[in-house]
Amino acid sequence: SQTIHQWPATLVQPVGSPLSLECTVEGTSNPNLYWYRQAAGRGLQLLFYSVGIGQISSEVPQNLSASRPQDRQFILSSKKLLLSDSGFYLCAWVQRLDDNEQFFGPGTRLTVL
Amino acid sequence: AQSVTQLDSHVSVSEGTPVLLRCNYSSSYSPSLFWYVQHPNKGLQLLLKYTSAATLVKGINGFEAEFKKSETSFHLTKPSAHMSDAAEYFCVVSVKTNAGKSTFGDGTTLTVKP
Repeated sequence: SQTIHQWPATLVQPVGSPLSLECTVEGTSNPNLYWYRQAAGRGLQLLFYSVGIGQISSEVPQNLSASRPQDRQFILSSKKLLLSDSGFYLCAWVQRLDDNEQFFGPGTRLTVL
Repeated sequence: AQSVTQLDSHVSVSEGTPVLLRCNYSSSYSPSLFWYVQHPNKGLQLLLKYTSAATLVKGINGFEAEFKKSETSFHLTKPSAHMSDAAEYFCVVSVKTNAGKSTFGDGTTLTVKP
């Protein structure tokens, strides 16, 4: 069966510090991968998606970047965090050529102070 | 292009009474439609999905939804609310031509009163 992992689960970082959040998927190959951010009391905003290794599409201009160094690994990064980067970050995967059902990871709660 | 509108940001019901969470969508192609539930500080869990088969879809925990193309709606219902149903609910639309990208509604917070 497929599983998706995210770490860390929670993170508190000072403004201006770097960020690296990791997402890995097991039990599938060649998935589409997605990073979402959920601000407090808000819906999900798609930040990045990837259809393959090294292929990243950005949905909104922002202080963050994403990379996909391996087929089942998706990384969200920042060189210098802003207060507005605080939120709940969710990784998801979709099996291509399927019905677009998204499978979500447990999320990372990021607080920037 | 695709979009989804959840018509109520908050819904409050008493335990044992019916639940109705409303969702309207728009899509240039035949859509897939989903309802997800999110408990506090947790990831999203799929409740049910419509993918061009039966228009009445049954999901987990007694939830169901009906796809009505003429009304562009996909409302979520449950005959009898349970305290454990209190959570955030998201309606989602997706089309296969869009790199698997999905569009989420803003969510509906369901409160269940004892």
